[in-house]
Amino acid sequence: ETGVTQTPRHLVMGMTNKKSLKCEQHLGHNAMYWYKQSAKKPLELMFVYNFKEQTENNSVPSRFSPECPNSSHLFLHLHTLQPEDSALYLCASSQVTGGINQPQHFGDGTRLSIL
Amino acid sequence: AQTVTQSQPEMSVQEAETVTLSCTYDTSENNYYLFWYKQPPSRQMILVIRQEAYKQQNATENRFSVNFQKAAKSFSLKISDSQLGDTAMYFCAYLKAAGNKLTFGGGTRVLVKP
Repeated sequence: ETGVTQTPRHLVMGMTNKKSLKCEQHLGHNAMYWYKQSAKKPLELMFVYNFKEQTENNSVPSRFSPECPNSSHLFLHLHTLQPEDSALYLCASSQVTGGINQPQHFGDGTRLSIL
Repeated sequence: AQTVTQSQPEMSVQEAETVTLSCTYDTSENNYYLFWYKQPPSRQMILVIRQEAYKQQNATENRFSVNFQKAAKSFSLKISDSQLGDTAMYFCAYLKAAGNKLTFGGGTRVLVKP
């Protein structure tokens, strides 16, 4: 148990569906992250939020829309996805103090399959 | 831009033996952090060990130790007395100090054989 919970664990959706991934951290951290892990590729950072504000968007297509209502919750809204978006989506959190970033703690991920 | 390279896609080791995973990185920064993460089949990414670039002493966590060569930009992980539970993907990662963009290598799959 890392203190970072992701739901759902698995998600199968069609290209025209709209769904959301949820991440919740119970560690009191102030930064949250979305990563994409595709087969045979390094983990790719998608978004970073510090104190609820988005500080990084790694050229992610607009069909992925993040939302961070508070420091404990992070969502990834999905719409009109493509087959190449099938991947494991990992959420992470960390504590940033005085500009120094502590190690990131990861959730178990959501395995997303696009039909 | 920072890059992290893990040149060994897969390695196998006998139980109780030692295995060393290589990692090299490219950066123009002087102050940064390096990490090794473990991802077992359960998918959870678990922090194994961490090294601060300004520290010359190599980090150690129980059976896990690193060989940090700053000039060579090398950060290898040694797993001693390998256990079946060490079977997993291992990722090397780089983080610029005062930054929050973690850059990962492509991973090395480690299989511990009984």
